[in-house]
Amino acid sequence: NAGVTQTPKFQVLKTGQSMTLQCAQDMNHNSMYWYRQDPGMGLRLIYYSASEGTTDKGEVPNGYNVSRLNKREFSLRLESAAPSQTSVYFCASSITRTTGELFFGEGSRLTVL
Amino acid sequence: GQQLNQSPQSMFIQEGEDVSMNCTSSSIFNTWLWYKQDPGEGPVLLIALYKAGELTSNGRLTAQFGITRKDSFLNISASIPSDVGIYFCAGQLNAGNMLTFGGGTRLMVKP
Repeated sequence: NAGVTQTPKFQVLKTGQSMTLQCAQDMNHNSMYWYRQDPGMGLRLIYYSASEGTTDKGEVPNGYNVSRLNKREFSLRLESAAPSQTSVYFCASSITRTTGELFFGEGSRLTVL
Repeated sequence: GQQLNQSPQSMFIQEGEDVSMNCTSSSIFNTWLWYKQDPGEGPVLLIALYKAGELTSNGRLTAQFGITRKDSFLNISASIPSDVGIYFCAGQLNAGNMLTFGGGTRLMVKP
């Protein structure tokens, strides 16, 4: 039972390059999220998808786009990476968007040079 | 936006000691949650609190939802090396609102 799976786990980009972080959950959850974690700042919400077919901005959406491909998969895209996007990215899911009980993936560490 | 302040930011304790940490907010929350992040892993939910004044235990962990709804506390009794990690509090104003996370308390345990 994998839970929430993220790929890749590590990535190094040059400024201006693009990439997509992939996330899949096998718990039949309706809602999925992308967070970034920076030292001392906790977790900040980038985008979320309350249910299949919907996406909404979180606290720090600038520079990112998302796609809810189907109920299982939610991807995060950086179109033109910047050093300020160096961070650890976490995908999470929950049964519905009303609950705060989230299940997180293992994280993707991104470095932008 | 809303801010959650966790203290202490880090603590280094001896195995077997009890640990206390807290989380405070300038505004109220109606749900408080505590997550733990092991090194190199994603956060895992430890305890969820849904009622002001509520005291909930999960093994050696005990968490409390403050009466004012502006704070929450987490205690760990008889710490062991696997308690090492970062502990995050999170608040949710109402069902459907996004979580606000604190900056975390980093716990280190000396065997």
